[in-house]
Amino acid sequence: DAGVTQSPTHLIKTRGQQVTLRCSPISGHKSVSWYQQVLGQGPQFIFQYYEKEERGRGNFPDRFSARQFPNYSSELNVNALLLGDSALYLCASSLVWGETNEKLFFGSGTQLSVL
Amino acid sequence: DQQVKQNSPSLSVQEGRISILNCDYTNSMFDYFLWYKKYPAEGPTFLISISSIKDKNEDGRFTVFLNKSAKHLSLHIVPSQPGDSAVYFCAASGGDGANNLFFGTGTRLTVIP
Repeated sequence: DAGVTQSPTHLIKTRGQQVTLRCSPISGHKSVSWYQQVLGQGPQFIFQYYEKEERGRGNFPDRFSARQFPNYSSELNVNALLLGDSALYLCASSLVWGETNEKLFFGSGTQLSVL
Repeated sequence: DQQVKQNSPSLSVQEGRISILNCDYTNSMFDYFLWYKKYPAEGPTFLISISSIKDKNEDGRFTVFLNKSAKHLSLHIVPSQPGDSAVYFCAASGGDGANNLFFGTGTRLTVIP
């Protein structure tokens, strides 16, 4: 079975541009979360979606947005890129939302570099 | 405000010995704790978890201990193997029905053959 898949694996953008990152969850998983991992830090929660609705949002500016599609895949959009947005963006899926014992399964991430 | 802290950025142990990785948290609402292992160019891989109603959970060579009064948890790996060399992240989630995770900054474990 395929795990969580993310595309692209690497991306280089310049300041002010916009970027879209894509994620396909594990088959049967209905919840998708996005995390940002800056070099030397742990992943930081950005968004969680379940059944196409936003269920949680971390402390990120409105330049960050996301959506989930009927097939449970998801996109993360970042507008007006800043140098500080350079990071590894991780997508995670879980079977459901709302169960605190639910484990998250992560993809390999998209490495975004903003120049 | 870092709610989950891993104060040791790196740890080196000899193969066959015990590895102990530590994690502290500040939010008393956290009720589920996880350890993830991360290799370069890969996403974090779930290793082991523990609910706040327990103080110990064991899975093969991996054991996690939870001390709620001290807001401290630890991961023990016995015996350590070279393949265990990776970055280990401690994570926690709250009791509000959400399963979004708060991660520590990670500890890089090196197991020396």
